[in-house]
Formats: sequence, structure tokens, C-alpha cells
Amino acid sequence: QLQLQESGPGLVKPSETLSLTCTVSGGSISSSSYYWGWIRQPPGKGLEWIGSIYYSGSTYYNPSLKSRVTISVDTSKNQFSLKLSSVTAADTAVYYCARHWIVVVIKIDAFDIWGQGTMVTVSS
Amino acid sequence: SSELTQDPAVSVALGQTVRITCQGDSLRSYYASWYQQKPGQAPVLVIYGKNNRPSGIPDRFSGSSSGNTASLTITGAQAEDEADYYCNSRDSSGNLVFGGGTKLTVL
Repeated sequence: QLQLQESGPGLVKPSETLSLTCTVSGGSISSSSYYWGWIRQPPGKGLEWIGSIYYSGSTYYNPSLKSRVTISVDTSKNQFSLKLSSVTAADTAVYYCARHWIVVVIKIDAFDIWGQGTMVTVSS
Repeated sequence: SSELTQDPAVSVALGQTVRITCQGDSLRSYYASWYQQKPGQAPVLVIYGKNNRPSGIPDRFSGSSSGNTASLTITGAQAEDEADYYCNSRDSSGNLVFGGGTKLTVL
């Protein structure tokens, strides 16, 4: 079955760029009806959507993070990636990648498969 | 701050029915999806669309919507249902947003 796995540094210095990759296995990232998203969760807090990307490269981002976020896709590697620039301690969180299932006609709009998450700490 | 509002905590007696709500003006136009998250684990989708359950989700979980409120109902709550529950939908601008989450305690 489809699986997602996040990878990347667990520690990032303040003002630097956080970079994570999500590898999709057991299926193609180029499937229609699916975007691919990043969601984060600060320790002890709720979930925050960061952004989503289609295999064609079309993206949309959380307006509150848009100025610092870049999400890209590499269909040849079946991967998509997150870059978050100018990080501060407030960006410390578990970062999840997830499949974002969208079917506009029947109003389906949900993250149906999630990676296990990766903890990223911002500290000097 | 989230444009989807959830009660921070709800409790239910074992075997009883509990409803977890999510309020927001955008829910008049969009359905909510619901996620269950247990400590140290990734969220799991339990309800999507009008009232659909992914494969493997017990039929005691159901969803509904009325006006600006979406609800997740657990009929006959089990001990393993104790978890945090999050709703997710679009805000008034069409951007994705999560509710603040509800901690469900099964007594």
C-alpha cells in the first residue's frame, strides 16, 4: 500500500532554511486527484497546514507562511520537498507529509495517508 | 488563530455516544474532514466528505453537518477511541485550515 516517509535534518539553526523531503512508495506521485501536502504540529499544540503541491508543480500555501515556504516535486524520484526559510524557535515542530485527496465535484478534500512525521528543532 | 472552532476537551462514558463539534462560517460551503490522533502517532483520517469512512475505520464513527457546524459522532465509544480529534476544511478564502483539536476522554 501507499506509504510516505519524511527525511531531513532534525536540528536547524535560527535564521537558516529547513529542508525536508517526503518519499512516496507503493504508488505514483503522478496520480490524478491527489495533491501532496505538508502539515506541522508544534509540541503540545494543534495541526497547521503548510502547503500542497500537484505533480505538475502547481502549488498553494498557507498565507501565514507563504513568504517563507517553497514546496517542489520530483516525479522521477517520487518525492516532494519542503523548504522553510528564516526559521525561528516558533518553527520547532513535528513535520508531516501527507497525500491530499481532492475531488471537487463530490467535495472530497482530505489528507488520507500520512507519513509518520519527523521532529525538527530550531536551536543554535 | 483558527477559523474552525472546537471544544478543547470532551468526555464520554464507555459505550455511550459522544458528539465532537467544529464550528466555522466556511462550513456552510465546505464539508469537514475529521482526524484521530493518538499520542506519539500521526493523525488518521476517520471521516471525509458528506459522511464517508476510509477503509478500516469502524462504523461507530459518523459525520454530519448543519449550518456552520460539522459534527463527528462516535456511537458506543470504546477505550481505544480516547485520542485528540481534529477537523479540517477550507476558510472563507478557500485556504486549508485545521480546528484547534478536541481531547476525547473515555471514562
